[in-house]
Amino acid sequence: KQEVTQIPAALSVPEGENLVLNCSFTDSAIYNLQWFRQDPGKGLTSLLLIQSSQREQTSGRLNASLDKSSGRSTLYIAASQPGDSATYLCAVLRGSQGNLIFGKGTKLSVKP
Amino acid sequence: NAGVTQTPKFQVLKTGQSMTLQCAQDMNHEYMSWYRQDPGMGLRLIHYSVGAGITDQGEVPNGYNVSRSTTEDFPLRLLSAAPSQTSVYFCASTDIYEQYFGPGTRLTVT
Repeated sequence: KQEVTQIPAALSVPEGENLVLNCSFTDSAIYNLQWFRQDPGKGLTSLLLIQSSQREQTSGRLNASLDKSSGRSTLYIAASQPGDSATYLCAVLRGSQGNLIFGKGTKLSVKP
Repeated sequence: NAGVTQTPKFQVLKTGQSMTLQCAQDMNHEYMSWYRQDPGMGLRLIHYSVGAGITDQGEVPNGYNVSRSTTEDFPLRLLSAAPSQTSVYFCASTDIYEQYFGPGTRLTVT
């Protein structure tokens, strides 16, 4: 059974720091991996999607990497800002139109 | 192009009442799904559909019914609400690349 784990569960950093959020999964047979952002009381916003054949994806200050063989993904946030404060969710897709398996998220707080 | 829409945004039910959470998408996606999100549990799959007329159970299907009569709509029915169904419910639709989520319905059962 696929399990997705995110470490740490919570993280507090001062503004301007570069930071890394970690995601691990137990079954390397994934179709893709998606990182989401969720603000309190809001829905999910897709940040980055990495296909299983890719190693990384970048969008602005965000960079996500994928190492299928080790079952790991990282989300790197450069020069963090208070507006980055949110919960970040990692999810893996088992098949081309299968179901997402989510981690429990990392709650990020960026202090001014 | 509205993407995935959900109604209502908020709902309070009494134990034993029934209701339907609505979900619609305008992207012509075949695959749609329902998740619930609970503190400390993350998002868990309730039911999903791979196309009109085809549905299947996810990880936590008990107490919920679904049907899919059109590509656009995928309603979730609670037949007899229980306090354990207090949660935030998200609907999603999928193309071959990624999933798109609706804004969620916050349901409280008293």
